[in-house]
Amino acid sequence: DQQVKQNSPSLSVQEGRISILNCDYTNSMFDYFLWYKKYPAEGPTFLISISSIKDKNEDGRFTVFLNKSAKHLSLHIVPSQPGDSAVYFCAASGASGGGADGLTFGKGTHLIIQP
Amino acid sequence: DSGVTQTPKHLITATGQRVTLRCSPRSGDLSVYWYQQSLDQGLQFLIQYYNGEERAKGNILERFSAQQFPDLHSELNLSSLELGDSALYFCASSDRGFWSGYTFGSGTRLTVV
Repeated sequence: DQQVKQNSPSLSVQEGRISILNCDYTNSMFDYFLWYKKYPAEGPTFLISISSIKDKNEDGRFTVFLNKSAKHLSLHIVPSQPGDSAVYFCAASGASGGGADGLTFGKGTHLIIQP
Repeated sequence: DSGVTQTPKHLITATGQRVTLRCSPRSGDLSVYWYQQSLDQGLQFLIQYYNGEERAKGNILERFSAQQFPDLHSELNLSSLELGDSALYFCASSDRGFWSGYTFGSGTRLTVV
């Protein structure tokens, strides 16, 4: 049973436009969410996170929105740049105690930024 | 370079064999996490160690085991290998849990033939 779902395996966006990556979760115990970015032949790199006490977190071009009632989060990238082409993973944790237990990851969305 | 070092980068072995994957965490990080990424799957949490002690277990098979040594490097041992164990195995480290995100290594690609 997949507790974190990224239903779009791939997404193509024009350079300069907004990229919106979506993620749904089923476990209501999840209270901390993260986005990771992965280039080929590299490990995932942490991008941005959000706690369930917030509904939005911003860091430069990246904004994560959390809708707890819908169990849905999204990552907005604006403006999209060619270097943003990568696989994006959504991850969640229910261990608000800080580190125990691993993260539950989605399968990823491959974002392609078209010139 | 993320600061997390995994060796070897690639490993090809036969079914039934045993292999050891090694991870050196980022300097100062006490926690080490192991993840498995199979084809078309997200990363699956296997196990976490904190300062030498097992902290949490995920979907780790009984044929798999891990340990963290006094110098904080960690090893993941996979035995009685099956074709389905072919995957990317990632190690990650952190200094204070997942709050600021883990730092991942570049992974070990295991192919079982």
